Amino acid sequence: NAGVTQTPKFRVLKTGQSMTLLCAQDMNHEYMYWYRQDPGMGLRLIHYSVGEGTTAKGEVPDGYNVSRLKKQNFLLGLESAAPSQTSVYFCASRRVNRGLDGYTFGSGTRLTVV
Amino acid sequence: AQSVTQPDIHITVSEGASLELRCNYSYGATPYLFWYVQSPGQGLQLLLKYFSGDTLVQGIKGFEAEFKRSQSSFNLRKPSVHWSDAAEYFCAVGAMEYGNKLVFGAGTILRVKS
Repeated sequence: NAGVTQTPKFRVLKTGQSMTLLCAQDMNHEYMYWYRQDPGMGLRLIHYSVGEGTTAKGEVPDGYNVSRLKKQNFLLGLESAAPSQTSVYFCASRRVNRGLDGYTFGSGTRLTVV
Repeated sequence: AQSVTQPDIHITVSEGASLELRCNYSYGATPYLFWYVQSPGQGLQLLLKYFSGDTLVQGIKGFEAEFKRSQSSFNLRKPSVHWSDAAEYFCAVGAMEYGNKLVFGAGTILRVKS
């Protein structure tokens, strides 16, 4: 089925470890986004990309890096994980000529940092 | 800056009862408003949206929402709740910055009792 696929779905990290979350979409969407969801805070934008090879910071970028080497993939990296990064991470994509109602969300990655 | 407030963290209703979830927004211009639903382990699904025109909008699964500019509100309603409606609901406003991002409220968890 077409859509946004996130891997892994669950992960437990120790403080200081690094990891990469993968977001893959097969809809040829130009825009991709990484959000984090925390209880009582809704979803907050970490980084986003408006096309292959371009990335930009969102509202809460500290502690994260991203790359978009291929149009269909958007990677979110944690270089040195901290307990404050325990969260559920959502990836989303959108076609450039679709409005704000054109978002497609992945099913999320639940990350726990101990 | 845009913001969204969902005053109710949890709501419990009986199956067959009516439902209203509250949402207030802060936005300088005419807002683009959305309601999303998130079932456990799933991504976010768009229920309905308001861009302009008729202030009462219909969505999927029997939901509707009413835009009230004077109250800066966009409350979600359903006349008769089904057990399958138990989920978390997010109100969001569209923002033109950050690659056309969505600004989300903190969410309301709906429980349905039989």
